[in-house]
Amino acid sequence: DAGITQSPRHKVTETGTPVTLRCHQTENHRYMYWYRQDPGHGLRLIHYSYGVKDTDKGEVSDGYSVSRSKTEDFLLTLESATSSQTSVYFCAISEGGGTYEQYFGPGTRLTVT
Amino acid sequence: AQSVTQPDIHITVSEGASLELRCNYSYGATPYLFWYVQSPGQGLQLLLKYFSGDTLVQGIKGFEAEFKRSQSSFNLRKPSVHWSDAAEYFCAVGVKLTGGGNKLTFGTGTQLKVEL
Repeated sequence: DAGITQSPRHKVTETGTPVTLRCHQTENHRYMYWYRQDPGHGLRLIHYSYGVKDTDKGEVSDGYSVSRSKTEDFLLTLESATSSQTSVYFCAISEGGGTYEQYFGPGTRLTVT
Repeated sequence: AQSVTQPDIHITVSEGASLELRCNYSYGATPYLFWYVQSPGQGLQLLLKYFSGDTLVQGIKGFEAEFKRSQSSFNLRKPSVHWSDAAEYFCAVGVKLTGGGNKLTFGTGTQLKVEL
């Protein structure tokens, strides 16, 4: 299994509070991604990173920001959590694009009350 | 924009029976196609991928998939299902991002139940 950890694994927070999720990899892969998984939607890309300090938006980026100060860490921040951000969040990594597959972390279940 | 359709939300098969999960994609160029499996409470595990060449690809756990360009399909098959195959299966199409890497667009998944 690819060395990907996510923390925390579960979190309950209140509307309006900031939340940061962490993804840590030990594979030294260049690309890292954040997805959210919701019933009936599959997984949708929030943000991705193509190197240290290099990030870009995915299809559902509103309300989220990311940072990558080291190759191994990719942080996802909800600046002011809303109930619509209740979801399961997955981090993924890949060596490259095209034919390179993505490896997924175990996920973080976030509940915003 | 690319899209993936998995028309079957739930499928139930008996252990030992054959399995086919359907996947249709929409994408203008040659797609990179993937099948992932997710067990409850777990992340996604890659079963197989297709990007060129032989249209029948073999994956892990005895799964295979066939790419049919004329039908825009990438159906997953297994000749004999085991109880441990019960899980949710996702088809995805990969598109290169401007910075490199891939954006995966996923279908909504097919939940497989295996009856003993």
